[in-house]
Amino acid sequence: DGGITQSPKYLFRKEGQNVTLSCEQNLNHDAMYWYRQDPGQGLRLIYYSQIVNDFQKGDIAEGYSVSREKKESFPLTVTSAQKNPTAFYLCASKANREGLQPQHFGDGTRLSIL
Amino acid sequence: GQQVMQIPQYQHVQEGEDFTTYCNSSTTLSNIQWYKQRPGGHPVFLIQLVKSGEVKKQKRLTFQFGEAKKNSSLHITATQTTDVGTYFCAGYWLGGAQKLVFGQGTRLTINP
Repeated sequence: DGGITQSPKYLFRKEGQNVTLSCEQNLNHDAMYWYRQDPGQGLRLIYYSQIVNDFQKGDIAEGYSVSREKKESFPLTVTSAQKNPTAFYLCASKANREGLQPQHFGDGTRLSIL
Repeated sequence: GQQVMQIPQYQHVQEGEDFTTYCNSSTTLSNIQWYKQRPGGHPVFLIQLVKSGEVKKQKRLTFQFGEAKKNSSLHITATQTTDVGTYFCAGYWLGGAQKLVFGQGTRLTINP
């Protein structure tokens, strides 16, 4: 089945530790996105990439980093500089950069502080 | 800044009652998309509206896009327990970057 796979489903971070969340898609989509969702809140854009080897900051990029070395992969690193990382992280993709197509979401990763 | 506001934040209804959520943008949108997120799940695309004044229906769900392409609504007739979840509107700004901006969502709970 085509889709987006996020791993792990649950992740715990120690103080001062960087952690990386995986996002892989086999939909052959050009654009990929990372969102953060806090309890009872909407989705806030962290980073997005519309093409391989290129990415842009979203609305809350501080304390996060990404890479897009392959079309199908868009990993998100939550660095120690992100002081409040506990949230639900969602990865999404869209067919191409210019179109108004819907976004397809992965199942998400729940990150908590130890 | 540019925002998409969605109201109400929460709505609790008796099964069989109707439900409506409203979405308002500070600027003109290219389109409006609606997503549903079940508790513990991820957002799932429901529908997209592109034309000014457009109305679309999916069984008991009716979606509207305003004439000025700045507001939208989702109306559910005779709610069922399967309608439980959070409903998000989202849109691309007209002439803006290719970022989908989400409303805060309306969480619907239903008393069976």
